[in-house]
Amino acid sequence: GIQVEQSPPDLILQEGANSTLRCNFSDSVNNLQWFHQNPWGQLINLFYIPSGTKQNGRLSATTVATERYSLLYISSSQTTDSGVYFCAGLPGGFKTIFGAGTRLFVKA
Amino acid sequence: DAGITQSPRYKITETGRQVTLMCHQTWSHSYMFWYRQDLGHGLRLIYYSAAADITDKGEVPDGYVVSRSKTENFPLTLESATRSQTSVYFCASMSESEDEQFFGPGTRLTVL
Repeated sequence: GIQVEQSPPDLILQEGANSTLRCNFSDSVNNLQWFHQNPWGQLINLFYIPSGTKQNGRLSATTVATERYSLLYISSSQTTDSGVYFCAGLPGGFKTIFGAGTRLFVKA
Repeated sequence: DAGITQSPRYKITETGRQVTLMCHQTWSHSYMFWYRQDLGHGLRLIYYSAAADITDKGEVPDGYVVSRSKTENFPLTLESATRSQTSVYFCASMSESEDEQFFGPGTRLTVL
């Protein structure tokens, strides 16, 4: 089956720093999404981004579908950005595949 | 309230008991999903449904049963709970245009 690799697995940042999270798929996927799971366990939609670039405040994402990867950029990080970031996609049909996540801790 | 809700939010049960986790969405989304989240595994798909009375297995369906008699509800039943089913369970829904999935708050299940 399709493999999803997220990197880095863990990331510690000083407040105000920038970071890039990466998601690689071993094969083509549809409906690529990025989620943030906050420390309370809630899954929050960040981006629906099957291709191209989107921005929302300090966050932006780019998906290069032909090369099967997506990037999530966090600028001027804040302590509230802490949590786990997941990418997910549909490799065909509706059997969604999630990456293992990037665990981010932002220090004050 | 509008959105997707799950109940109960927390459940403790014993091995061998039947447990049903409820999921309700108010958007009339056609697609609904059940996932489990375990340390080291991220989220894994248990079952999904494309419409009322249409369900299909995901990656880890063994030990679970689902039904979808109404579009808005998608209950997940553990017919005979096992300790390995201790997990956090998330329900999600998605519209017919097949874009974003939206997640419920999750149910933390402990099987003793």
